[in-house]
Amino acid sequence: SSELTQDPAVSVALGQTVRITCQGDSLRSYYASWYQQKPGQAPVLVIYGKNNRPSGIPDRFSGSSSGNTASLTITGAQAEDEADYYCNSRDSSGNRNWVFGGGTKLTVL
Amino acid sequence: EVQLVQSGAEVKKPGESLKISCKGSGYSFTSYWIGWVRQMPGKGLEWMGIIYPGDSDTRYSPSFQGQVTISADKSISTAYLQWSSLKASDTAMYYCASLLEWGDYNWFDPWGQGTLVTVSS
Repeated sequence: SSELTQDPAVSVALGQTVRITCQGDSLRSYYASWYQQKPGQAPVLVIYGKNNRPSGIPDRFSGSSSGNTASLTITGAQAEDEADYYCNSRDSSGNRNWVFGGGTKLTVL
Repeated sequence: EVQLVQSGAEVKKPGESLKISCKGSGYSFTSYWIGWVRQMPGKGLEWMGIIYPGDSDTRYSPSFQGQVTISADKSISTAYLQWSSLKASDTAMYYCASLLEWGDYNWFDPWGQGTLVTVSS
């Protein structure tokens, strides 16, 4: 399968914890990467691999994976975390193809 | 600093051709795959295809095969995305991004700033 499924929208109270999930068969073979996109900006990598953060990404962002589901967790969400979040994985077909999830709009209340 | 810089916004008419670019700097451009991603207005990210500038090995998403051409000129560290005959439905923001791989890990970083393509009569 070449699809990744995300909830379209999630909300979280300021300072609380939120988990954004991504489901797909390819996640049984490859780890997901996660991207944050704010309005009018290019996507930014926030998590890759098992649970790796690029330099400059706050440690409140973390990743996990189990079976066909990858998760992005924000522990102590801040107002500046309000954004669209996309998961991405290599397609498990064996070809060098990648696929994005449909994206999750995170609202911080 | 590793960065990808894309060409500027374009306004074209249906049926016209177009080639947009993505120039890499701060790293060995020929050693990493470069991917292209489409984002239609108000929509999500769609993976289009990828090229290895070292030998121009190119792979396309089935959704974009035959619709666009991806190429690269390693002598000037630049990747390209081109259309031979634009349609209104090609109106979108297009991003390039560098693919990094390590075992089962793969991720796109950095990303270019995006090129807005508007196709309208």
